[in-house]
Amino acid sequence: KAGVTQTPRYLIKTRGQQVTLSCSPISGHRSVSWYQQTPGQGLQFLFEYFSETQRNKGNFPGRFSGRQFSNSRSEMNVSTLELGDSALYLCASRDRVETQYFGPGTRLLVL
Amino acid sequence: DQQVKQNSPSLSVQEGRISILNCDYTNSMFDYFLWYKKYPAEGPTFLISISSIKDKNEDGRFTVFLNKSAKHLSLHIVPSQPGDSAVYFCAASDTGNQFYFGTGTSLTVIP
Repeated sequence: KAGVTQTPRYLIKTRGQQVTLSCSPISGHRSVSWYQQTPGQGLQFLFEYFSETQRNKGNFPGRFSGRQFSNSRSEMNVSTLELGDSALYLCASRDRVETQYFGPGTRLLVL
Repeated sequence: DQQVKQNSPSLSVQEGRISILNCDYTNSMFDYFLWYKKYPAEGPTFLISISSIKDKNEDGRFTVFLNKSAKHLSLHIVPSQPGDSAVYFCAASDTGNQFYFGTGTSLTVIP
């Protein structure tokens, strides 16, 4: 099976802009989670979608939103970008309860 | 509040010796624990997991130990190889809900 794919891989935006990141899970996986990774902070959980419904949500402001489509593909949107939003954004999918499989990530740089 | 902690940001080990990476958690409801390995510019790769009903799980050179009373888990790599040099993240979840990640330990295996 193909792995988790994320597009784009790299992105440069300026403050105040918005951005949309895309994630295609492993075929058959219905759960998609999003994480933000910054130096020294590890992986911070953003939200999880399952069958087009948000199932869990982390402690991020409302500028961070997401959605999932009927084919399980997911998008994450960040509005009104701030310098602190510069990070690696990772998407992970899973079928069983336990194990998540990650994509390569999207590196976002906000100038 | 960081529910999963990796207190050693970095670790250096000679090739052929044992690498021991440690992880502590605070939530006694966590019942599933995972280790991921991450190379630069790639997403984390699942390495090994353990459920709370066990205290040890082994997969080749990798062994994870769980001490529930101490809320501590560790990953042993024996023997360590230069290709093991990467950042290692531990993660925990409660019945497959949100996954909580540590901040990572950067392992360097010296040839």
